[in-house]
Amino acid sequence: GENVEQHPSTLSVQEGDSAVIKCTYSDSASNYFPWYKQELGKRPQLIIDIRSNVGEKKDQRIAVTLNKTAKHFSLHITETQPEDSAVYFCAASFQAGTALIFGKGTTLSVSS
Amino acid sequence: EPEVTQTPSHQVTQMGQEVILRCVPISNHLYFYWYRQILGQKVEFLVSFYNNEISEKSEIFDDQFSVERPDGSNFTLKIRSTKLEDSAMYFCASSEILADEKLFFGSGTQLSVL
Repeated sequence: GENVEQHPSTLSVQEGDSAVIKCTYSDSASNYFPWYKQELGKRPQLIIDIRSNVGEKKDQRIAVTLNKTAKHFSLHITETQPEDSAVYFCAASFQAGTALIFGKGTTLSVSS
Repeated sequence: EPEVTQTPSHQVTQMGQEVILRCVPISNHLYFYWYRQILGQKVEFLVSFYNNEISEKSEIFDDQFSVERPDGSNFTLKIRSTKLEDSAMYFCASSEILADEKLFFGSGTQLSVL
């Protein structure tokens, strides 16, 4: 089955810096890669996703890149703000209705 | 904006007791899921449900677990005989069919088994 590895487990940056979180996946058939943000005690919320026919996707300060050959994808947050502090999870799935397999999460701390 | 709703928000039970966790998915969604998250750990897949049957389940989802869509709006997770290690936050999620795999999570039910 699919396995998703996520690094780093914790990341501390200064406000205004960029943050990069990386994930690798094992199943080459996976074709959907979302990123979720989870604030303390709250539900995971989708922040951006990418499908395997796209190499990069950007939404304001957030971008995701995908390298299908290497089976890895990354989340990039630019101009970080304190409110970006949260746990970020990457995930991968094969198709709609199949399990999203999550990475172990990255705790991002943005200090002002 | 439509949301997945879950009840109760907290559930405390004794080991060996049955619990039912309830969810109301977003109304036009057809795929339903249960995930769980043990404190400080990653979100783990339990089961997916489509067209009134289980489409996929994980190793965690053993015979003690069952799911049901008793009517047109509710989606439930039952744990027949709870164990201490079932203590976790349980998230319900839903998604539309076909091309859109975007999962929308409920706010979760914190289950504590004593």
